[in-house]
Amino acid sequence: QVQLVQSGAEVKKPGASVKVSCKASGYTFTSYYLHWVRQAPGQGLEWMGIINPSGGNTNYAQKFQGRVTMTRDTSTSTVFMEVSSLRSEDAAVYYCARGSLTGATSRFFDYWGQGTLVTVSS
Amino acid sequence: QSALTQPASVSGSPGQSITISCTGTSSDVGGYNYVSWYQQHPGKAPKLMIFDVSYRPSGVPDRFSGSKSGNMASLTISGLQAEDEADYYCSSYTTSSARVFGGGTKLTVL
Repeated sequence: QVQLVQSGAEVKKPGASVKVSCKASGYTFTSYYLHWVRQAPGQGLEWMGIINPSGGNTNYAQKFQGRVTMTRDTSTSTVFMEVSSLRSEDAAVYYCARGSLTGATSRFFDYWGQGTLVTVSS
Repeated sequence: QSALTQPASVSGSPGQSITISCTGTSSDVGGYNYVSWYQQHPGKAPKLMIFDVSYRPSGVPDRFSGSKSGNMASLTISGLQAEDEADYYCSSYTTSSARVFGGGTKLTVL
């Protein structure tokens, strides 16, 4: 069965960076896009970007360009999402979510990780 | 990219039907048949309920249906059940190859 297992909760100081991992299993890792979505406390969902695990190509939401980096390790079927220069507004639950087959427009998210809580506090 | 517009809350009694709207622009909802809907219970990850405007993934009850007209998409839940009480989010592909979510709608089953 398809599973996305994320790394554990993080507590970071303002200005620091955080790197969250998402390990995929139950399907061919390089065949499906992976997205990152975040949700601030009591707020809605916010799309951050997408990575093609096959070639490593990325597309970030304009809001996060320059501050977010998505990478992958095909040997461990893991994608990573790093946010730098953290500020209080970055405190949120970060989700990875599987997209469509690579080669098609990735237009929905069919499996989600359990979420990783990132706390930003001095 | 601005968020899609959803009502903050809707409510209905068990057995009734409700509809949640999702309004965008010609650059997202109106431009593509790539609208999806997600159900989120408190403390849980979202769950895909509808994709490509009106298709249900395997395992989603046929009480859930989706449609679109122009720049507005809709999710209809018929035969409301207590377990349908949750937050619902729409999402769309956009002309800039980004994805955008709606602000979310809290469904209360009375």
